[in-house]
Amino acid sequence: DTEVTQTPKHLVMGMTNKKSLKCEQHMGHRAMYWYKQKAKKPPELMFVYSYEKLSINESVPSRFSPECPNSSLLNLHLHALQPEDSALYLCASSPRPGESTDTQYFGPGTRLTVL
Amino acid sequence: KNEVEQSPQNLTAQEGEFITINCSYSVGISALHWLQQHPGGGIVSLFMLSSGKKKHGRLIATINIQEKHSSLHITASHPRDSAVYICAVVGSARQLTFGSGTQLTVLP
Repeated sequence: DTEVTQTPKHLVMGMTNKKSLKCEQHMGHRAMYWYKQKAKKPPELMFVYSYEKLSINESVPSRFSPECPNSSLLNLHLHALQPEDSALYLCASSPRPGESTDTQYFGPGTRLTVL
Repeated sequence: KNEVEQSPQNLTAQEGEFITINCSYSVGISALHWLQQHPGGGIVSLFMLSSGKKKHGRLIATINIQEKHSSLHITASHPRDSAVYICAVVGSARQLTFGSGTQLTVLP
């Protein structure tokens, strides 16, 4: 199984809603990532989890709250988002945290629209 | 100035043409990755390079560490190659820094 899955594929939410994005991999990877990608722009790193611990938070607003309940699962909890948070949210994983030559495996993304 | 610059930003080719996409970077790196993103979002890793050249099917990637430059070549291009191609480097922070991408369209 060399796949990273993400649910839901699409999400529309209001600014007062609370929702969660889910990411799952069963490749035994110990590094997991959240990226945000706006249209026609490259992905921007949000968070990195290494061995289920948050190792990098790229100054992301607190309305985004990541969680890594176990080595296969990564969540992104959303609360009180703004319309400018509308984007494609990509999850990725790689075998060894901090190993630059490891390939990152990306999920298909969740396309989020905030009304 | 971005740490990773790609050219061209957009490229349209006829089926069968040889295609080259360039990537230049300004920082010391430990690895360079070429990624492909299709409409709809999914990103696929094509190559990881730390030196030399790699080939996979019709795709060839090269890197010149001294000149801080990498190229991605596609031989005998096909409409299914149409996608955004992204160069990403791993620097001292050990995370991917992405170029802005090259939108490739191959016409039948």
